[in-house]
Amino acid sequence: EPEVTQTPSHQVTQMGQEVILRCVPISNHLYFYWYRQILGQKVEFLVSFYNNEISEKSEIFDDQFSVERPDGSNFTLKIRSTKLEDSAMYFCASRGGLYGYTFGSGTRLTVV
Amino acid sequence: KQEVTQIPAALSVPEGENLVLNCSFTDSAIYNLQWFRQDPGKGLTSLLLIQSSQREQTSGRLNASLDKSSGRSTLYIAASQPGDSATYLCALSAQGGSEKLVFGKGTKLTVNP
Repeated sequence: EPEVTQTPSHQVTQMGQEVILRCVPISNHLYFYWYRQILGQKVEFLVSFYNNEISEKSEIFDDQFSVERPDGSNFTLKIRSTKLEDSAMYFCASRGGLYGYTFGSGTRLTVV
Repeated sequence: KQEVTQIPAALSVPEGENLVLNCSFTDSAIYNLQWFRQDPGKGLTSLLLIQSSQREQTSGRLNASLDKSSGRSTLYIAASQPGDSATYLCALSAQGGSEKLVFGKGTKLTVNP
């Protein structure tokens, strides 16, 4: 069964540093997403991406965040200057047509 | 704004028991409803997808139902096993837009041998 692949599985970074989280969505999917889950809280929507542009973003997704699909396979989330409150599990997901979402296994980001 | 609530927050049952997890939502204009399983510190595994025109879906020992008029969905697990222990998340998307998912906080299920 096709999978969404995320790397790294765990990243520790110092406050103020830039991080890039990487994802390889399912190849024939057209819609791509980033979600995050702060420990003990709900999974929250960050941003959706379709046809090489952002289609929707949440209030969380401020100027510190950006997404990119640099080639035909990768989908990245960049946080420019990390804060302590950015510590969370970040999930990439893709969706194709009428079918539901497929999520990756997540990247646990720890900001120290 | 869509709100998704899952009750109970935690449930502990003996092995072999049939159980029902509940999900309620405030806005009935939904597109899809999807149930996920999350193991501790892990990703989200899709269990069942119910499209808005459907009323239920079944996969093995799992059955999910959707009643848009009452704003409710249930996940029925038959003959529970210790391996079913996990957190179960309900998530739904609205029609139009990016079809982003709005999640409930989940029900943490423990099945005791």
